[in-house]
Amino acid sequence: EPEVTQTPSHQVTQMGQEVILRCVPISNHLYFYWYRQILGQKVEFLVSFYNNEISEKSEIFDDQFSVERPDGSNFTLKIRSTKLEDSAMYFCASTGTGPTQYFGPGTRLTVL
Amino acid sequence: GDSVTQMEGPVTLSEEAFLTINCTYTATGYPSLFWYVQYPGEGLQLLLKATKADDKGSNKGFEATYRKETTSFHLEKGSVQVSDSAVYFCALSPSRFGGTSYGKLTFGQGTILTVHP
Repeated sequence: EPEVTQTPSHQVTQMGQEVILRCVPISNHLYFYWYRQILGQKVEFLVSFYNNEISEKSEIFDDQFSVERPDGSNFTLKIRSTKLEDSAMYFCASTGTGPTQYFGPGTRLTVL
Repeated sequence: GDSVTQMEGPVTLSEEAFLTINCTYTATGYPSLFWYVQYPGEGLQLLLKATKADDKGSNKGFEATYRKETTSFHLEKGSVQVSDSAVYFCALSPSRFGGTSYGKLTFGQGTILTVHP
């Protein structure tokens, strides 16, 4: 069964450093999403992406964040200058023609 | 804006007990409703869904019915197992968004379920 994959599973970085989180959505899906979950809290929407542009973003998704689909398979989230409060689990999701979003296993980001 | 409210947790049950986790929502139009499950150390897995009023989603013995009149989507299981211990999230996706996608998922705060033998 097709699935969403994410790399790395765990990323440790120093405050102020740039990180890139990678996702490979399900191959025939067209809509892509990033969410985050701070430890013990609810899952929060960051951004959605369709047809090579952002279709919606939350207040969390400020100028420090960017997304890109550099080729036909990868979907990346970049944080330019990480802060301590960016420490969280980041989930990628994708969907095809229906409303169901399929999630990857997540990347745990730890900012020291 | 859209919102999802889940019952306060955590929930602790003995094996074979009946489970109900309440979920209510606020949204315009006719959203799609979901339950996702997160096992310890893992990502989010779709448990079940319902896309229109009065639909019943079911999977692995879990059920939830989309009640438009009470704006609810309560999760139930008749007999829980230790392996059901996880965090359960209720979520909604808005009515078709801009004609091109279903938009973001809005999640409830999650309910931790622990089942003892």
